[in-house]
Amino acid sequence: DSGVTQTPKHLITATGQRVTLRCSPRSGDLSVYWYQQSLDQGLQFLIQYYNGEERAKGNILERFSAQQFPDLHSELNLSSLELGDSALYFCASSDSFLAQRYNEQFFGPGTRLTVL
Amino acid sequence: DAKTTQPPSMDCAEGRAANLPCNHSTISGNEYVYWYRQIHSQGPQYIIHGLKNNETNEMASLIITEDRKSSTLILPHATLRDTAVYYCIGGLTLGRLYFGRGTQLTVWP
Repeated sequence: DSGVTQTPKHLITATGQRVTLRCSPRSGDLSVYWYQQSLDQGLQFLIQYYNGEERAKGNILERFSAQQFPDLHSELNLSSLELGDSALYFCASSDSFLAQRYNEQFFGPGTRLTVL
Repeated sequence: DAKTTQPPSMDCAEGRAANLPCNHSTISGNEYVYWYRQIHSQGPQYIIHGLKNNETNEMASLIITEDRKSSTLILPHATLRDTAVYYCIGGLTLGRLYFGRGTQLTVWP
């Protein structure tokens, strides 16, 4: 158990819909990261938040957005869903924003999104 | 971030050492080498990291060549539970991890 929780575990929805994925980081971790894992693209970094502020963006679509709340939990919002958005979405947390040194990330169990 | 190259698959007998290679010829002097693994759709798990020196922890050993262009992750006594995809990641830009395709390690009884 990494200490990172994600809800829901599974989500099935239809094209065009909007969903929200939730992540609670490890106690004390200020950084939250979102990753998407699909069969064709592998594990891809989407976005990072640090203490409520966006710090880095990766291959995140404009239809997707995220935020980190004052209690440090984070939500990833996916809208106008397409079949290709079906994937595993992982959240990770860490206790340091500094990228130049050792920075272990702790991953949650993921949310499996299926778009029909 | 450094581009890494790993074999797509390897296998190993249970109880034997598993040696997983990684090439990272474009790694810069201050970029670390990180290893993570992912067991069947679970969240990736950190294993070990290193900069120049060899490193060892309770999970594995990491051997980095002197020119830092390649490294080897060693699982000294592989078990069936070590069957997973192993990712070698070079560098760490702003905390984000860039995963490649990794190596599927299969440990057989």
